[in-house]
Amino acid sequence: GESVGLHLPTLSVQEGDNSIINCAYSNSASDYFIWYKQESGKGPQFIIDIRSNMDKRQGQRVTVLLNKTVKHLSLQIAATQPGDSAVYFCAENTGNQFYFGTGTSLTVIP
Amino acid sequence: DTAVSQTPKYLVTQMGNDKSIKCEQNLGHDTMYWYKQDSKKFLKIMFSYNNKELIINETVPNRFSPKSPDKAHLNLHINSLELGDSAVYFCASSPRTARATQYFGPGTRLLVL
Repeated sequence: GESVGLHLPTLSVQEGDNSIINCAYSNSASDYFIWYKQESGKGPQFIIDIRSNMDKRQGQRVTVLLNKTVKHLSLQIAATQPGDSAVYFCAENTGNQFYFGTGTSLTVIP
Repeated sequence: DTAVSQTPKYLVTQMGNDKSIKCEQNLGHDTMYWYKQDSKKFLKIMFSYNNKELIINETVPNRFSPKSPDKAHLNLHINSLELGDSAVYFCASSPRTARATQYFGPGTRLLVL
C-alpha cells in the first residue's frame, strides 16, 4: 500500500517564529498533494495544495514545497500565531485514491 | 449554511448494536467519502462514492455498509458494533474524484462500550 509519513509527530514553536512541517511520500506517480489543518474537535480543513508539475506554491502566510526527487513535501507557516495550533496532515492523491499522513501536532507558545 | 454536515455528532452505544451516521453536503459536489480517524489521529479512507456509485471500498469489514440515496447524501450503517469501531468518522465531499480538495464534515465521535 501507499504510505505518507511525517518526520515529526509534534512541533512547538514560539509565537512569531516560522514553522516547518515535513512529510514524506512513497508513490512517485502521485500527482496532487494537499495540506490540511485539523483543530481540536473539528474536521480537517484545506490549507493549500500543489500539483506535481510545480515545486513551490504560496498562500497567505503558508508555502508548500515539493521535492519530487526525494519525495518530500513541506509546509511552511510564516509568523506562526496561536490560532495555528492544530494537527497538520499532508495527503497524497493518486488517481481517485487519497492517502493521509499520520499528522504533526503544532503547538504555538505565546 | 453548513457545507458538509453529519449527524449525530456523538454516538455512544453498546457492542452488538446497529447504528447509522448520516452525511449531507450542499456544495453540489459529485464525490463523497467516509473516513475513519483513530485515537492516534490517523485518517484512513473507507469508502468513496461518485454520483451515487461506489468507487472506493477499502478493506473494511462488511459490517460497514454505505448508502448514497442521492449525490448530496452518503450514509454509513454499521452492524454488530465492536469495541474497535470506536473512532471519529468523517464524511467529506469533493467536486470530482481526482486532484480535488475534499471538504470535511465536523465528525461523528463513536464510542462502543
